Amino acid sequence: GEDVEQSLFLSVREGDSSVINCTYTDSSSTYLYWYKQEPGAGLQLLTYIFSNMDMKQDQRLTVLLNKKDKHLSLRIADTQTGDSAIYFCAEVRRGRRALTFGSGTRLQVQP
Amino acid sequence: DADVTQTPRNRITKTGKRIMLECSQTKGHDRMYWYRQDPGLGLRLIYYSFDVKDINKGEISDGYSVSRQAQAKFSLSLESAIPNQTALYFCATSEIRTSGRDTQYFGPGTRLTVL
Repeated sequence: GEDVEQSLFLSVREGDSSVINCTYTDSSSTYLYWYKQEPGAGLQLLTYIFSNMDMKQDQRLTVLLNKKDKHLSLRIADTQTGDSAIYFCAEVRRGRRALTFGSGTRLQVQP
Repeated sequence: DADVTQTPRNRITKTGKRIMLECSQTKGHDRMYWYRQDPGLGLRLIYYSFDVKDINKGEISDGYSVSRQAQAKFSLSLESAIPNQTALYFCATSEIRTSGRDTQYFGPGTRLTVL
């Protein structure tokens, strides 16, 4: 995904918090999304945030949005081995009619 | 039953062959998409369709074509496959809400290998 950037890999211990970061390009993006891809499977929507929000919490997931810096993060509390997957952030850019994805962050959870 | 299905799930073919990947959905969504996934590159959009009469090129449409046979079916063709089209291909559907939110639902993927 051109210009939607994520680090490629993150390793944490079970029970710790994970923070996955994403920088995006279009300040006019209205919604920003986090998708999860488990091994051998398609992507599933984890959560999303509307651009007029700074934070959204959904059980163990917390999304933070810094519009000034065009920075999006996903925090997973009490990370479990079942959280091991690739996490993609995505935006809808002005003038585009489909999502632009980041390259994905592979989260490895060590027991 | 899965809402978005793709066939085949795996395919190995040779350079120059014509290949068709099929996608069906039971979600009743108007919007359908084809993406390819390559390691370290995320998902890149090949084609998308917002209704049966609407077909649009994505970022990387060269070497691909699509057909929207019905609201529920969207197929992707490689007219003459080449090795750098080896990838994981995903179909997705979505339905835009009045709020503007447009959540995409993905199929399980087709792993295509071109020798």
